[in-house]
Amino acid sequence: DAKTTQPPSMDCAEGRAANLPCNHSTISGNEYVYWYRQIHSQGPQYIIHGLKNNETNEMASLIITEDRKSSTLILPHATLRDTAVYYCIVRVGNYGGSQGNLIFGKGTKLSVKP
Amino acid sequence: DAGVTQSPTHLIKTRGQQVTLRCSPISGHKSVSWYQQVLGQGPQFIFQYYEKEERGRGNFPDRFSARQFPNYSSELNVNALLLGDSALYLCASLQGVSYNEQFFGPGTRLTVL
Repeated sequence: DAKTTQPPSMDCAEGRAANLPCNHSTISGNEYVYWYRQIHSQGPQYIIHGLKNNETNEMASLIITEDRKSSTLILPHATLRDTAVYYCIVRVGNYGGSQGNLIFGKGTKLSVKP
Repeated sequence: DAGVTQSPTHLIKTRGQQVTLRCSPISGHKSVSWYQQVLGQGPQFIFQYYEKEERGRGNFPDRFSARQFPNYSSELNVNALLLGDSALYLCASLQGVSYNEQFFGPGTRLTVL
């Protein structure tokens, strides 16, 4: 089972920031938080990942709480093309074991509206 | 550069048949993972291969098997198809086991009648 809890759906107005929450209260010290998204009928797309510090890239920002039990993915200026299912995943870092094992939950369906 | 490619795009089979799905990773990527995505659910991990060796296996029956070739392409085989095998089968490419980002292909839509 997925180790994360996400709201099933969210709406966001075009041009506004989209803040997608994720709870991962059982996260272990060596587990990272990853975000992927899946636009309709396409394969998932990597967005960002982090361990405990906040992270930012050209797509989004990731805010992780100090106790690491929850995080928020922020899309600063949502566009219609950001409409997708967003998956929050926790997994061990990139060493040893089954590196390919991403455990996806049902994610959050984000609808960006004009 | 070409991304991850999968073939065929769509496939229709009947119960009891066998199917082979193919995946070509991004050039230079040595690891391939397979996922099954049933309608309305997130992808479920099936296998990971790295340098032609199986590195991980999800909770799927033995009817599912895979292999990776010297050129790092991969095949997923499913025997004795069931109606419940109808799904989108996704292949993900990873440069190596020490990299974070997986690149997914567009998937193969399998329908079992």
